[in-house]
Amino acid sequence: EAGVAQSPRYKIIEKRQSVAFWCNPISGHATLYWYQQILGQGPKLLIQFQNNGVVDDSQLPKDRFSAERLKGVDSTLKIQPAKLEDSAVYLCASSPGPLDYGYTFGSGTRLTVV
Amino acid sequence: GQQVMQIPQYQHVQEGEDFTTYCNSSTTLSNIQWYKQRPGGHPVFLIQLVKSGEVKKQKRLTFQFGEAKKNSSLHITATQTTDVGTYFCAGPNRGSTLGRLYFGRGTQLTVWP
Repeated sequence: EAGVAQSPRYKIIEKRQSVAFWCNPISGHATLYWYQQILGQGPKLLIQFQNNGVVDDSQLPKDRFSAERLKGVDSTLKIQPAKLEDSAVYLCASSPGPLDYGYTFGSGTRLTVV
Repeated sequence: GQQVMQIPQYQHVQEGEDFTTYCNSSTTLSNIQWYKQRPGGHPVFLIQLVKSGEVKKQKRLTFQFGEAKKNSSLHITATQTTDVGTYFCAGPNRGSTLGRLYFGRGTQLTVWP
């Protein structure tokens, strides 16, 4: 089966600019996650979708981060405006359901804010 | 909030030596999962343990889940250069209906040939 697709692979922006990341999960996976992984740390959940609804966004900095999953398939994560501390790898993952473990992660987008 | 701690943070071994990483949670987990991330790569799911005291093996890898479901370990016998990477444990709180995973910081394994 096809994996989780993410784009772009790399992005360099200046602080205060905006950026968007795209994710297409495995076909049929209802649950989609966006994780932020800062260098040297474990992934931290930003937001979790169940179909096209948000079920957990408690760790999302909502003043600058937003995400949507229209039609319950692919998803977009946006940062506006970006800060230096947003430099990280943004990982998208999917699973059949919220309690179906063994997430499949995409290759991630490495964001550098200068 | 929940914290998942892993030790050691780094481990350097000679090829053929054994390796163990330990994972401890501040809260009881409903299950524990292990992921491997190669340098420059993304986390790849290895295994899930659900039962208290459970032990699972995958070739040279042995995974254990503690009796209290708050700790876990991963042991690799006779490491190979292909074992290089960062090993993460992750788990959701017991009773969680959202399935939110809390990841540890990982143990970065380097294997010298």
